[in-house]
Order: sequence, then C-alpha cells, then structure tokens
Amino acid sequence: GQQLNQSPQSMFIQEGEDVSMNCTSSSIFNTWLWYKQDPGEGPVLLIALYKAGELTSNGRLTAQFGITRKDSFLNISASIPSDVGIYFCAGQQATQGGSEKLVFGKGMKLTVNP
Amino acid sequence: DVKVTQSSRYLVKRTGEKVFLECVQDMDHENMFWYRQDPGLGLRLIYFSYDVKMKEKGDIPEGYSVSREKKERFSLILESASTNQTSMYLCASSCLLAGGYNEQFFGPGTRLTVL
Repeated sequence: GQQLNQSPQSMFIQEGEDVSMNCTSSSIFNTWLWYKQDPGEGPVLLIALYKAGELTSNGRLTAQFGITRKDSFLNISASIPSDVGIYFCAGQQATQGGSEKLVFGKGMKLTVNP
Repeated sequence: DVKVTQSSRYLVKRTGEKVFLECVQDMDHENMFWYRQDPGLGLRLIYFSYDVKMKEKGDIPEGYSVSREKKERFSLILESASTNQTSMYLCASSCLLAGGYNEQFFGPGTRLTVL
C-alpha cells in the first residue's frame, strides 16, 4: 500500500525552539491533513488543507499544501513540553467505491526538553 | 464532541485464538476504519466501511476480517491470531464535511499482544 514520505523521523529539541517537518508523495492528493498523537492516545487532527498553495495557521502551528499537491509541511513555533508526541501527515484520496480514505506518513516523534 | 470508543485498551491472546476488537462511535458517522500502528511504519489501513454491511479492503487486510451490522459499531476479527499481529489497533470514524474532506476521529487504541 502507498505511504507518504515523512521526515524527519524524530527530533529532540529544547523548549522554545521551532520545529519543521514535511511530507512528500509521488501521488497527488485532494487534501492534506496533519495529526498529532499523544502518548497512549489516538491521533487528533491539528490542521486540514484543502487547496494547492494554501497556507493555514492554528495558534503556533503553520501548515502549507504544496503547489504541486504532492507535498506539505508543518511548522511549530516556540515549542513547549506538551508538544511532545508523534506527528503524522495524511493525504486524502478517493477509493474505487467512491468513498474517501487517508494515506498516512510514518510519523515524526517529537521530544521537547524543558 | 465525537466519541470513538474501543472495547479494550490492552489485550493479551494466544496464537491461534479468535480475537474480536470492537469499536463504537456516537456521532452517526457513515465511515469507519481499522488501522494498525507499528513503530517506524505509521498507520496502515486494514479495512474500512462506508455503510452498514459494506466493507472495503485497505492496504493490509490479510489475516483480518470485519463486521458492520449496525452503523455505530465496527468490529475487527482476527480469525486465528499470530504473533506478527501483535500491534496497536486504532479505530476511526468520519463523515463528509464542508470543504469536501473527511475528518477522521480516532479511538484511544487497543494494544494487542499475541503470545
């Protein structure tokens, strides 16, 4: 099955630093999504991007939908300890049955040192 | 708030046992999904369902089956559990929202260990 290329795989940063991560694909997606998974929990949606070139912010988070529709990035500014977790990118594509499904990246594990 | 619940947080089974993982959502969502999550591999789609009694194979359906008899409930079945099915299993549900995308809401996961 298809997966997205997400990088980096992990990051160790100091509190207050900025973080950048990105996802690339050989396929075009209609929608790009970024999820965060806290330890012991299921992923939760952070940001959804609908249009190529779109730049969206949500508090300290900024994400962009690449102009080619094959990539996206997520930035976290001024990191805090509760940013710890695994961040997943996901692309949405239509299935043969007409429904939609998500293809996920492998995740980026973030550790923030206070 | 949307709530997706899974029947167990932790489960230990023996090789060859039949295993049922249950998932229930309370928001009348049409679509439901089962993923497994393994370190370094991310989330991989096992099966999904877009309506009652309907199912589609995901990327890794081998060794699994599913059942959706009611809209709110989606079950994952391991007919004969094997050690390579030790994993975290995540259930999700979604509906089509404005903007044309499906936000998937995830349950807390079931960590299954097969001995």
